Amino acid sequence: DTEVTQTPKHLVMGMTNKKSLKCEQHMGHRAMYWYKQKAKKPPELMFVYSYEKLSINESVPSRFSPECPNSSLLNLHLHALQPEDSALYLCASSQGPGANEQYFGPGTRLTVT
Amino acid sequence: DAKTTQPNSMESNEEEPVHLPCNHSTISGTDYIHWYRQLPSQGPEYVIHGLTSNVNNRMASLAIAEDRKSSTLILHRATLRDAAVYYCILSGEYGNKLVFGAGTILRVKS
Repeated sequence: DTEVTQTPKHLVMGMTNKKSLKCEQHMGHRAMYWYKQKAKKPPELMFVYSYEKLSINESVPSRFSPECPNSSLLNLHLHALQPEDSALYLCASSQGPGANEQYFGPGTRLTVT
Repeated sequence: DAKTTQPNSMESNEEEPVHLPCNHSTISGTDYIHWYRQLPSQGPEYVIHGLTSNVNNRMASLAIAEDRKSSTLILHRATLRDAAVYYCILSGEYGNKLVFGAGTILRVKS
């Protein structure tokens, strides 16, 4: 199983809502990532988890809160988002930190109204 | 993070080879060169990576210049399914920190 799954596929939320994005992999990978991709732009790294610990935070606003409850699961909790946060949120995993191949999920398309 | 420069777009005919160039003149000795591609409406997909020597896998070949300041991704026989944005990325200090540039949009004509 070389798949990274993300739920939901699409999400529409208001600026006062709280929602969560979920990412799962069953490849035994110990590094997981969140990326944000605006329309017609390249993906931008947000967070990296290594062995369930946050290792990189690319100065992401606190309205985005990542969580790694176990080695297979990665969540991104969203609160008080702005319309400019509307984007495709991509999750990825790799065998370990420093591994050269990342596997990406299909993303969650988020719209903030 | 060291930067890469790629053409905005390229066009190829189906079943012909495609050579996608990437310049990375500020590459450091420990930087790996990665290529990912992103098909429409999908997440990025790993294609290939290398450090100094040329590399081959089932998807593509990676040719790295001797001075490592440039590289070329080679698709041996382009198909319509290869139409995508191709990203050339240097891994930087952390092997897992990918900084995507603008990439090259590859169009494949039948």
